[in-house]
Amino acid sequence: DAGVIQSPRHEVTEMGQEVTLRCKPISGHDYLFWYRQTMMRGLELLIYFNNNVPIDDSGMPEDRFSAKMPNASFSTLKIQPSEPRDSAVYFCAGAGVYPGELFFGEGSRLTVL
Amino acid sequence: KQEVTQIPAALSVPEGENLVLNCSFTDSAIYNLQWFRQDPGKGLTSLLLIQSSQREQTSGRLNASLDKSSGRSTLYIAASQPGDSATYLCAAEYGNKLVFGAGTILRVKS
Repeated sequence: DAGVIQSPRHEVTEMGQEVTLRCKPISGHDYLFWYRQTMMRGLELLIYFNNNVPIDDSGMPEDRFSAKMPNASFSTLKIQPSEPRDSAVYFCAGAGVYPGELFFGEGSRLTVL
Repeated sequence: KQEVTQIPAALSVPEGENLVLNCSFTDSAIYNLQWFRQDPGKGLTSLLLIQSSQREQTSGRLNASLDKSSGRSTLYIAASQPGDSATYLCAAEYGNKLVFGAGTILRVKS
């Protein structure tokens, strides 16, 4: 298996622009997580899905953030409009069972100018 | 509030040395405790997962222990190698979320 695949790996955009981050989880993993990592706050859970249904979105910072999982093999995290404080590395992770071992993608590094 | 603390924040050791990384958590009602490795610019790789009913787990040169009553876990790395240089993060699982520590940056000098 190719593991969790995220795109783009790097994104540089200007304040106010829409940003869409994508994730393809490992086949058979019914749980999908979006995390954000910054130097100041470390790793924070934004939202997680089970069988494509959002279970906990309490970590989503603002209404500017939204996430979808239209099917078992694809998820998006969208920021509209983006702000400089959204600059971070965004990770997608999956798990076959939860609580259980998490498998992370390589992340999408977002820079908002 | 559920918090995870890792000590030390950074560690530099010569190759071949045995070392211990520490992790403490404020709420002992954990489902499991996980240790991850993160290389620069990369995602997290799961190293060891200890269920709440277990005391330790081993994988190669790595051994992780868990003491729920004291709210502590340790990661022991035997005979360290330059390739072990990375950031090591522990995370406590509380059923509905994984709470991460800030990590220990390890550098093993050849």
